[in-house]
Amino acid sequence: DAKTTQPTSMDCAEGRAANLPCNHSTISGNEYVYWYRQIHSQGPQYIIHGLKNNETNEMASLIITEDRKSSTLILPHATLRDTAVYYCIVRGGGDYKLSFGAGTTVTVRA
Amino acid sequence: ETGVTQSPTHLIKTRGQQVTLRCSSQSGHNTVSWYQQALGQGPQFIFQYYREEENGRGNFPPRFSGLQFPNYSSELNVNALELDDSALYLCASSDRFSKAFFGQGTRLTVV
Repeated sequence: DAKTTQPTSMDCAEGRAANLPCNHSTISGNEYVYWYRQIHSQGPQYIIHGLKNNETNEMASLIITEDRKSSTLILPHATLRDTAVYYCIVRGGGDYKLSFGAGTTVTVRA
Repeated sequence: ETGVTQSPTHLIKTRGQQVTLRCSSQSGHNTVSWYQQALGQGPQFIFQYYREEENGRGNFPPRFSGLQFPNYSSELNVNALELDDSALYLCASSDRFSKAFFGQGTRLTVV
């Protein structure tokens, strides 16, 4: 019951910015956009989340369009350690679960 | 490091057996969720416990059950193991509806 659409895979050059798109055209007013990533065989790692304003933390930036139907996760300077599956998840404010889709497999190349 | 610890890290069980997986949540968190991740797929929600009560459940049969203790640690129990139960089992802790932090998972293999 994932409510997001992400590309299956993408490559990025080390040191360059990685821009990961996510479509969530059916998002409702009280739903947040969350991003997690999962490095091979490890537990998912929280990256960032937002409601409607752009957000930035030490890991990444999240840009949400004004109509909130899509968003972009930006890793400003990708490193080899950023190679992972990235999940974009829409979650209501009172929702108790995270619904993971297939995510985007990001490969950072030297 | 998320402060969420799971044990054991790996486990091999025989079909029909029962298994208990354990999760110690991050300090200050009162909510624990469990997820199953089959190979090559995203994690699937099993259930959530909030203050020792089951708070929501995904599409899993009753042989998947859980407990949350007063210190907010948790157990996932699976009875009558099937081959398809082979997966990575993930525990996530949070403060109710805030962001969730995951443990490293328990890799269960059913033979």
